[in-house]
Amino acid sequence: DSGVTQTPKHLITATGQRVTLRCSPRSGDLSVYWYQQSLDQGLQFLIQYYNGEERAKGNILERFSAQQFPDLHSELNLSSLELGDSALYFCASSVNGRGAGETQYFGPGTRLLVL
Amino acid sequence: AQSVTQPDIHITVSEGASLELRCNYSYGATPYLFWYVQSPGQGLQLLLKYFSGDTLVQGIKGFEAEFKRSQSSFNLRKPSVHWSDAAEYFCAVGSNTGNQFYFGTGTSLTVIP
Repeated sequence: DSGVTQTPKHLITATGQRVTLRCSPRSGDLSVYWYQQSLDQGLQFLIQYYNGEERAKGNILERFSAQQFPDLHSELNLSSLELGDSALYFCASSVNGRGAGETQYFGPGTRLLVL
Repeated sequence: AQSVTQPDIHITVSEGASLELRCNYSYGATPYLFWYVQSPGQGLQLLLKYFSGDTLVQGIKGFEAEFKRSQSSFNLRKPSVHWSDAAEYFCAVGSNTGNQFYFGTGTSLTVIP
């Protein structure tokens, strides 16, 4: 158990809908990272937040957005969903948000299925 | 641009046999290198990491990896595989100046009795 929690574990929705994925980092970690794992794209970095501020952006679509709240939990919002958005979405956290300079601890993921 | 290549999509080994999973990276400076393991239905767990110093890195669960700058490789090894090692293994490279990780496509390991 990494100490990172993600809810829900599974999510089934329809095309065009909007969903919110939630992540709580390990106690003491200030930074949260979001990743998407799909069969065709592999594991891709989406976005990073540090202490409430966006710090780095990866291959995140404009239909997707995220935020980190004062209590440090983070939400990833996916809108106008398409079939291709079906994937496993991981959240990771680290202490200082130095990206690759420190260990990231991954949550168990949220499996999203868009029908 | 940074990239990671794991040339073996799937590997099958017998329990007790040795294991080597290959990872090659492309990066302009000294990279930060990682190996993660993902068991079915689970998140990623860090096995080991290399930032600097000794090029042979020891990790958890009896795994080790060796950084070879001349070959741009960071291969993962284990002398004797256990059935519980069956999982997906990901190599990743990160920048010491940026905040992004780049993951390989993964190697799926099957362990046969």
